[in-house]
Amino acid sequence: QQQVKQSPQSLIVQKGGISIINCAYENTAFDYFPWYQQFPGKGPALLIAIRPDVSEKKEGRFTISFNKSAKQFSLHIMDSQPGDSATYFCAADTTSGTYKYIFGTGTRLKVLA
Amino acid sequence: DGGITQSPKYLFRKEGQNVTLSCEQNLNHDAMYWYRQDPGQGLRLIYYSQIVNDFQKGDIAEGYSVSREKKESFPLTVTSAQKNPTAFYLCASSRGQGVHGYTFGSGTRLTVV
Repeated sequence: QQQVKQSPQSLIVQKGGISIINCAYENTAFDYFPWYQQFPGKGPALLIAIRPDVSEKKEGRFTISFNKSAKQFSLHIMDSQPGDSATYFCAADTTSGTYKYIFGTGTRLKVLA
Repeated sequence: DGGITQSPKYLFRKEGQNVTLSCEQNLNHDAMYWYRQDPGQGLRLIYYSQIVNDFQKGDIAEGYSVSREKKESFPLTVTSAQKNPTAFYLCASSRGQGVHGYTFGSGTRLTVV
């Protein structure tokens, strides 16, 4: 119940295309869903996050879509650029929990120039 | 500027030796975490601490030890009991107490030679 399943493991997209990464969870107590972006040799950095009271959140070219009934959420990167090439992690957390995120296994995105 | 400092960036260790990785934060965060990252396996929690002088084991604590004597510092010792210590180690912190948001350090790459 504590797992967050992330797919795909790797993704190759042409420049200007849409990158889509999916995550699914089981624990209905989760109430915060962040996405982190990690470049090689660096620590992950918060990209965008959503709470279950909204179905979509957009920040620039990055959008989170959230489906509470299906217990799924996804990251969409519009107009993907080579600079977006990185590893992306989804995560889930609960306000009433022990303040430790459950991370997905990561998606390595490569955007071709 | 507030942030998390991990040192050193690269560390080489001979088999059978203990080694300590440093993590310092000036964000006034209550909670701190250590993660291990291996290729294709995402982020695995080693230890976490919600307050000073208290810490809990994560999913892969065997062969590791920590201390939390100061709010700002959460050093990780990789002991000789850790069978496969070569990895990228990430420290993170958060405000805890139901407030979301991890901040990660830039990581330490440990290589056993």
